[in-house]
Amino acid sequence: QSVLTQPPSVSAAPGQKVTISCSGSSSNIGNNYVSWYQQLPGTAPKLLIYDNNKRPSGIPDRFSGSKSGTSATLGITGLQTGDEADYYCGTWDSSLSAFFGTGTKVTVL
Amino acid sequence: QVQLQESGPGLVKPSGTLSLTCAVSGGSISSSNWWSWVRQPPGKGLEWIGEIYHSGSTNYNPSLKSRVTISVDKSKNQFSLKLSSVTAADTAVYYCAREGDTLSPNWFDPWGQGTLVTVSS
Repeated sequence: QSVLTQPPSVSAAPGQKVTISCSGSSSNIGNNYVSWYQQLPGTAPKLLIYDNNKRPSGIPDRFSGSKSGTSATLGITGLQTGDEADYYCGTWDSSLSAFFGTGTKVTVL
Repeated sequence: QVQLQESGPGLVKPSGTLSLTCAVSGGSISSSNWWSWVRQPPGKGLEWIGEIYHSGSTNYNPSLKSRVTISVDKSKNQFSLKLSSVTAADTAVYYCAREGDTLSPNWFDPWGQGTLVTVSS
């Protein structure tokens, strides 16, 4: 079971904004960078955000990340039908193990 | 553009050993990156299995450590996973992925397409 807690689902209408939270502890998020991944149905995860708030080349600025204390947040603005997917946060902890969040399903209404 | 491709048997018998290989193309496995295995049971979330550096150094998920071995073959530019004493709970899609480098380590990109391994008699 994951030590990073995310809401099971979030939804919004096209063009609107959603935020996804990722709650951890001082041994993981509190002392390590957070990354975010998008997993479209039937495909491998794709890196969206790394080092808390950086976007890899090719990721639109509609996706943003932030971190405060032991929690992190992914924001998606201008929601599109193509954004319907599962989203996972990820980080490391003091035992040199990587962890992923419980996952959040984004639905575009 | 680094690409990863998993390969191995799609069906393993209970109590047997799961063996997978990840071929790295478009880059060297001897770069300053760690290389990981991640799995995802059907309909469930992601679970990190472990990682390896080209030197052979490894780190494993404590919950799987007693059953996992990850190795690297620099001559073939690939790394491998062995998971012993498997049960139905090990049925999952297995992904290999490259981690960030020493300056910015904590992320996975790219990922392989994944391979489904079913544990069944």
